[in-house]
Amino acid sequence: AQTVTQSQPEMSVQEAETVTLSCTYDTSESNYYLFWYKQPPSRQMILVIRQEAYKQQNATENRFSVNFQKAAKSFSLKISDSQLGDTAMYFCAFMKLRSYNTDKLIFGTGTRLQVFP
Amino acid sequence: GAGVSQSPSNKVTEKGKDVELRCDPISGHTALYWYRQSLGQGLEFLIYFQGNSAPDKSGLPSDRFSAERTGGSVSTLTIQRTQQEDSAVYLCASSAEPLGTDTQYFGPGTRLTVL
Repeated sequence: AQTVTQSQPEMSVQEAETVTLSCTYDTSESNYYLFWYKQPPSRQMILVIRQEAYKQQNATENRFSVNFQKAAKSFSLKISDSQLGDTAMYFCAFMKLRSYNTDKLIFGTGTRLQVFP
Repeated sequence: GAGVSQSPSNKVTEKGKDVELRCDPISGHTALYWYRQSLGQGLEFLIYFQGNSAPDKSGLPSDRFSAERTGGSVSTLTIQRTQQEDSAVYLCASSAEPLGTDTQYFGPGTRLTVL
């Protein structure tokens, strides 16, 4: 069975600074995806970034980037130039890759990020 | 285009009553998922529909929970004889398959409160 661990229940950062959220996972699968989702108070889960395990290059999306260490089973999220709108709950998620189909997401417990002015 | 929609946004019910939660996936998305988000259990998978295949019901917590998907589109999650521990946010997500690589897009959820 797969597990996802987020060891930081809460983080805070000042506006314009950089913050890194940690995530580790455990799996025996060789093909999988990893995701970071953001959930603001509105409750809407929003995809931040995703990483295919077979890709060695770390994914980036504007101010968001990941540090994917496959051997260490680590998948951290770096937010650069933090903005007030980044305040949210952040979930790390794992998805096993099956032929032709997606699979259920396995979520971590989340990290609550507060961005201060 | 339109995203995943869910209704109602909030539902308050009395213990022992049945409730139905609705999910409208993104048009053309063949895969549909239900998740539950609660304080004690975090985010957990409930059920997965993929096209005409038999649904994956492995996450349903008890036989009081059931779901159906009509016409490969709209899905309804039904909870019978609700209990207080059923109080949670129920999230629906859809994805485009059979690419096998696509992302799940979530609806805004239904907050269920069982009194």
